Amino acid sequence: DAKTTQPPSMDCAEGRAANLPCNHSTISGNEYVYWYRQIHSQGPQYIIHGLKNNETNEMASLIITEDRKSSTLILPHATLRDTAVYYCIVRVPAGGYNKLIFGAGTRLAVHP
Amino acid sequence: EPEVTQTPSHQVTQMGQEVILRCVPISNHLYFYWYRQILGQKVEFLVSFYNNEISEKSEIFDDQFSVERPDGSNFTLKIRSTKLEDSAMYFCASSEVGVGSGANVLTFGAGSRLTVL
Repeated sequence: DAKTTQPPSMDCAEGRAANLPCNHSTISGNEYVYWYRQIHSQGPQYIIHGLKNNETNEMASLIITEDRKSSTLILPHATLRDTAVYYCIVRVPAGGYNKLIFGAGTRLAVHP
Repeated sequence: EPEVTQTPSHQVTQMGQEVILRCVPISNHLYFYWYRQILGQKVEFLVSFYNNEISEKSEIFDDQFSVERPDGSNFTLKIRSTKLEDSAMYFCASSEVGVGSGANVLTFGAGSRLTVL
């Protein structure tokens, strides 16, 4: 699995967009980018994933650069409840089997 | 929305005692996982399970640990003789079998906090 690099922490004002970067310069052609988050010792929560194209769902948007070496998770209007550790994980889908390896992630603090 | 259910939410035990943590995965999911998180540390993979057998395990998952799917709904993690360092949050997760990237999304439970005294 490709290694990812994320900043250890970020701040964001409530109501503003939170842009969380992830570098994955060794990503291979069939590896997807997955984002999860963990709110204060709760179970990790899936957010979004993508391969090449930008993706959007009800939680967030994922922007993947054309060379696929980096991506950005965007929370368009951050709320206090978005304070969490965000994990960027690169992985090849394997018929449903998906052993995720979590790094340290980015600790996002949303403040009033 | 379907969810993974874990019990108990918190268990306190004495060192050397056996502990069983229980999980009810999402009903149409066939891959099951256990992870743990020691306070302040990363979420660590322990074991994955498919078709009634372990498909992969980490170095952490030694002979003190075992997993079982005793019936069609439960998935359990047993620690035979707990140690102080087993104190952690234990998360169960499941994923469905299928092709395509969406089938690889893990759904996690809320976790079971184990405290070993």
